[in-house]
Amino acid sequence: AQSVTQLGSHVSVSEGALVLLRCNYSSSVPPYLFWYVQYPNQGLQLLLKYTSAATLVKGINGFEAEFKKSETSFHLTKPSAHMSDAAEYFCAVSLGRGNEKLTFGTGTRLTIIP
Amino acid sequence: AAGVIQSPRHLIKEKRETATLKCYPIPRHDTVYWYQQGPGQDPQFLISFYEKMQSDKGSIPDRFSAQQFSDYHSELNMSSLELGDSALYFCASSWAGPGELFFGEGSRLTVL
Repeated sequence: AQSVTQLGSHVSVSEGALVLLRCNYSSSVPPYLFWYVQYPNQGLQLLLKYTSAATLVKGINGFEAEFKKSETSFHLTKPSAHMSDAAEYFCAVSLGRGNEKLTFGTGTRLTIIP
Repeated sequence: AAGVIQSPRHLIKEKRETATLKCYPIPRHDTVYWYQQGPGQDPQFLISFYEKMQSDKGSIPDRFSAQQFSDYHSELNMSSLELGDSALYFCASSWAGPGELFFGEGSRLTVL
């Protein structure tokens, strides 16, 4: 079985500051890891994914994440927060090709302070 | 590029009524997944189908049923609706190539 834990249900950062959203995973096999963003009353948008290739993954809107096996982590970062980044962020894990079912974390609500 | 299509986008029902949600996967995708996201919650896996057969089952209530048809579209049937069934229901599809799910925009069910 696989799972992800997102530390911090709410994170607030000032506009222009570093964004760091934490995600730790547990998996019996090498995982595929994903970050999704969800704006109010909207669907899930894929930000980026790790599928066992490069450990540093760059996504849309200036976000990136680094897969660290030794720390079982896949934290999401963005160097400079923008007001439009305010949303709910979900980390998710799957077992990869042929078993794409996702297990989501509980989410982190990101608030940007002007 | 074609995306996953869900209908209806919004649905309002009374308690004890029945609702049906439809999902049209991306062409040539062979697996469909259903997720339920309650208010302020993370998406919870309900059920999946591979090549029209149920492939996995999660926390789907017995009042719910689903199937995948010969054209690969899927329907989620919900009976004896309860207030707690109010949620956003996502459908996703996949094939083994890219190793990821492609989500629809969701169907928002409100039970009054």
